[in-house]
Amino acid sequence: DTGVSQDPRHKITKRGQNVTFRCDPISEHNRLYWYRQTLGQGPEFLTYFQNEAQLEKSRLLSDRFSAERPKGSFSTLEIQRTEQGDSAMYLCASSLGSGAGELFFGEGSRLTVL
Amino acid sequence: ILNVEQSPQSLHVQEGDSTNFTCSFPSSNFYALHWYRWETAKSPEALFVMTLNGDEKKKGRISATLNTKEGYSYLYIKGSQPEDSATYLCAPRGYGGSQGNLIFGKGTKLSVKP
Repeated sequence: DTGVSQDPRHKITKRGQNVTFRCDPISEHNRLYWYRQTLGQGPEFLTYFQNEAQLEKSRLLSDRFSAERPKGSFSTLEIQRTEQGDSAMYLCASSLGSGAGELFFGEGSRLTVL
Repeated sequence: ILNVEQSPQSLHVQEGDSTNFTCSFPSSNFYALHWYRWETAKSPEALFVMTLNGDEKKKGRISATLNTKEGYSYLYIKGSQPEDSATYLCAPRGYGGSQGNLIFGKGTKLSVKP
């Protein structure tokens, strides 16, 4: 399977704990995106990388969120001191190059904060 | 806050019915418009990427049109089938000067009854 993969698919944690999600993009894609989706809403942009450089980060993203993409391959999204409002589906996507290219999404990581 | 509107929010049709949805967005700083289909428990899948005013794209029974001057796109499904049941998301890109991310609408949830 050469699609975008995300791990874990489901995570249940207690408020205040840290969680980390991993995304493995399609290998030849140089752009990687993180989105968050909550019930009744469309996916909300969090951040994106071109290769290893984080080029844009949503102003809505608090300092508790951090993302990395070392070596321009896989990416991690860490949420520190989780809050109940962080409960959501976290989607990763990748795309090839710049321009208007379509995004290829993973199946998402669902976070539940108790 | 960028305003992407999709209507209707949900739609129930019978197998064989044809249907259409609307995506509207402010027309300034337009770069591209994406349509995605998101089936339950799967990852969002790209349907179309449209860039030019007057663009029309087709994939099987699904087609889309784009009007960048007035800021809307229509998605049409001819002869709906149960497997078309999904949430259809539109997302303009390059909005507000940013070409790095998509701004998604809330989607139109389509249910096709056999």
